[in-house]
Amino acid sequence: GQQLNQSPQSMFIQEGEDVSMNCTSSSIFNTWLWYKQDPGEGPVLLIALYKAGELTSNGRLTAQFGITRKDSFLNISASIPSDVGIYFCAGLGSSNTGKLIFGQGTTLQVKP
Amino acid sequence: EPEVTQTPSHQVTQMGQEVILRCVPISNHLYFYWYRQILGQKVEFLVSFYNNEISEKSEIFDDQFSVERPDGSNFTLKIRSTKLEDSAMYFCASTLISGRGSYGYTFGSGTRLTVV
Repeated sequence: GQQLNQSPQSMFIQEGEDVSMNCTSSSIFNTWLWYKQDPGEGPVLLIALYKAGELTSNGRLTAQFGITRKDSFLNISASIPSDVGIYFCAGLGSSNTGKLIFGQGTTLQVKP
Repeated sequence: EPEVTQTPSHQVTQMGQEVILRCVPISNHLYFYWYRQILGQKVEFLVSFYNNEISEKSEIFDDQFSVERPDGSNFTLKIRSTKLEDSAMYFCASTLISGRGSYGYTFGSGTRLTVV
């Protein structure tokens, strides 16, 4: 079945630094979503990407939908302590039922 | 902002018991989902539901699992005879449109199920 590989698995950075994480797949996705999950909470949508090559920003977050439709990256600029959490990429599966396939997650820790 | 509401937030049950996890999706949404997240792992798709029937289910969603939308507002996940490995966070999600757009794909805060 379709799978996503997300990297890095974890990051420990200093406040103010920029962060980049990415997801790759061997198969094509038509939509990429980036979520953040805080402890004990459900995933919260950060950015949605619908077109190959699309570059979208949401405040300090920027994400791109790879031109091959097999990858996506998320950048966070000027990180702050509240950026701490787990970031997941998710691809919309090919079945058209709305099934999301998630990456393994990137755990981000920010040192003040 | 509209929310997906899940109850209870935490459920402890004995192995072999039946549990029902409840969700109230966003009111005008048409597509409903259950996902599972074992502690420390990624979120995994269980089942999608549209027009009062299952539209897709994963290998995890075996005969012990069932879903229902009994009254037009609630969406439930039942596990008939729980096993230790069913211990996980269960997330409900809903969206207005499936397919390419998936606008407003919203997750609830989850139910932590602990099977002892």
